[in-house]
Amino acid sequence: ETGVTQSPTHLIKTRGQQVTLRCSSQSGHNTVSWYQQALGQGPQFIFQYYREEENGRGNFPPRFSGLQFPNYSSELNVNALELDDSALYLCASSPMGGGPSYNEQFFGPGTRLTVL
Amino acid sequence: AQRVTQPEKLLSVFKGAPVELKCNYSYSGSPELFWYVQYSRQRLQLLLRHISRESIKGFTADLNKGETSFHLKKPFAQEEDSAMYYCALKRSSASKIIFGSGTRLSIRP
Repeated sequence: ETGVTQSPTHLIKTRGQQVTLRCSSQSGHNTVSWYQQALGQGPQFIFQYYREEENGRGNFPPRFSGLQFPNYSSELNVNALELDDSALYLCASSPMGGGPSYNEQFFGPGTRLTVL
Repeated sequence: AQRVTQPEKLLSVFKGAPVELKCNYSYSGSPELFWYVQYSRQRLQLLLRHISRESIKGFTADLNKGETSFHLKKPFAQEEDSAMYYCALKRSSASKIIFGSGTRLSIRP
């Protein structure tokens, strides 16, 4: 059983560019959550996808968008990058979703994004 | 708004000493509370959750609704406990998990 994987490991972009981050969920998991972790801070919830639909969103602007595919892998897209978008982006998968019940989230290693 | 506060950025204790990592939350309903841990060069992982009422690696945490706290405790610290610890909250009806800013625990030999 493979764990959550994320790609790329790190990347550097410039202000105004667009970026796509990828996440492969753990086998058997159908829910993926994305988090942004700025230096010295805890992870901040961006959104969650459950069975290819957005299932909850944090306080992030619309330029943060996502997708979930039939195999439950997911992408996080960020348009019009700003300097403050520099952070570690974490993906977490869990076996069930839909809100009311909590199932343990398994985190990936993260993608470190630097915006210059 | 829901919020999780971890007042200590760094906590340093000697091996064998008791450990208490503080966590306070603000939420008017009945939250689900968790402690996550990140060891050096490892991924963030769940340590324990309040509904399980279990002891993991010697750590326990009790939910105190009156004080809105969920402090993490261990009677005798071990060197392998050195890590970053995050307290987190989830509303029972939501998917969003709110993390605190974390406490770095350093165990001195």
